[in-house]
Amino acid sequence: ENVLTQSPDFQSVTPKEKVTITCRASQSIGSSLHWYQQKPDQSPKLLIKFASQSISGVPSRFSGSGSGTDFTLTISSLEAEDAAAYYCLQTSGLPWTFGQGTKVEIK
Amino acid sequence: EVRLVESGGGLVQPGGSLRLSCAASGFTFTTYWIHWVRQAPGKGLVWVSRINTDGSTTNYADSVKGRFTISRDTAKNTVYLQMNSLRAEDTAVYYCARVSTPSGMDVWGQGTTVTVSS
Repeated sequence: ENVLTQSPDFQSVTPKEKVTITCRASQSIGSSLHWYQQKPDQSPKLLIKFASQSISGVPSRFSGSGSGTDFTLTISSLEAEDAAAYYCLQTSGLPWTFGQGTKVEIK
Repeated sequence: EVRLVESGGGLVQPGGSLRLSCAASGFTFTTYWIHWVRQAPGKGLVWVSRINTDGSTTNYADSVKGRFTISRDTAKNTVYLQMNSLRAEDTAVYYCARVSTPSGMDVWGQGTTVTVSS
């Protein structure tokens, strides 16, 4: 099983600050890495697909980068509505696996 | 509108069974794989199972293999997850999601809650 490790587990951030979340895979996955945002009592929402591809309707402040084993989700200027948990997902091989999640809180 | 709607969750005793449904609308059902993902209370997301476009290929997480069965009914645009021999650790919100090669896992349902308890 390909284990995804996110860091940090929790981040408390001031609005307009830049946020960086990393996801490290235990085995190389090429670009088969996707990022999700989940707000309390809501379903996950796709933010970035295949490491760096943007999703229609997602604000441009969200971007992704990386390949192989190391990936990054960046929120360029945090807004209050971005308070949520963020998860990475690898789809390179079965079983598909998620990172443990990163909770972003607004200061 | 593209939608996935889960149903069938509830309270069941350990060892019992439940069948979850995932009803699709607003898109061409037969061109998407459908996956199930679950989330235990206060925990992260865990992949459970998937089925291909015509139902001929299914895969499962080790934790549910031999107990859960995924299937699809093209006429009803619905995917099912039959869950047998349920355990307390199966307690979770269960989401279905559609997947295509270019789009990834892009649309999720609202989830249905399964509670396994005596």
